[in-house]
Amino acid sequence: AQSVTQLGSHVSVSEGALVLLRCNYSSSVPPYLFWYVQYPNQGLQLLLKYTTGATLVKGINGFEAEFKKSETSFHLTKPSAHMSDAAEYFCAVSGYGSARQLTFGSGTQLTVLP
Amino acid sequence: DAGITQSPRHKVTETGTPVTLRCHQTENHRYMYWYRQDPGHGLRLIHYSYGVKDTDKGEVSDGYSVSRSKTEDFLLTLESATSSQTSVYFCAISERGDRGYDYGYTFGSGTRLTVV
Repeated sequence: AQSVTQLGSHVSVSEGALVLLRCNYSSSVPPYLFWYVQYPNQGLQLLLKYTTGATLVKGINGFEAEFKKSETSFHLTKPSAHMSDAAEYFCAVSGYGSARQLTFGSGTQLTVLP
Repeated sequence: DAGITQSPRHKVTETGTPVTLRCHQTENHRYMYWYRQDPGHGLRLIHYSYGVKDTDKGEVSDGYSVSRSKTEDFLLTLESATSSQTSVYFCAISERGDRGYDYGYTFGSGTRLTVV
């Protein structure tokens, strides 16, 4: 069984400020972890993923996330927010299984203030 | 994404009527999934498929059925639509390479279904 908790359904940052979106997971097996972004009226786009290897993962648009097993966390960060980063962000976990289906968190809406 | 399309994009239907949503892929991926998205719940898995005629239930499968008669098509049917099934439905595809390497999911653009 696996689950994801995203802390903060809404996060606001000023343009140029640090973006930090929090994600904690629960998994009975070594997890694969993902961050997706959703812009209004669109589907989900993969930002980055952790499967094995290096625990600091870099993704598109300047985002990165660090897998911390001891804290069961996979927080998403970006050093400097841009107006175009405003969107909803979803953390997801998948474990082993024949189809390796993803379990999603409830999402965090990021607002970027000018 | 060009490799996965959902139809229709929008639909309004009446309570009690059957509704079928279609997901079509051109990537020849083995795995296909149907999710629903509701505010405060993120995405929840309805059904998934791991091959032609091979399907299984997800977290919220009650009131839904699926079929996959060809690799490229995965149909979701609401057998008798209810207002609680008003939602945005997403299809996703994925593939797994050698040694189980996961290439991640690709999502369709979604179908907005309203049951009145």
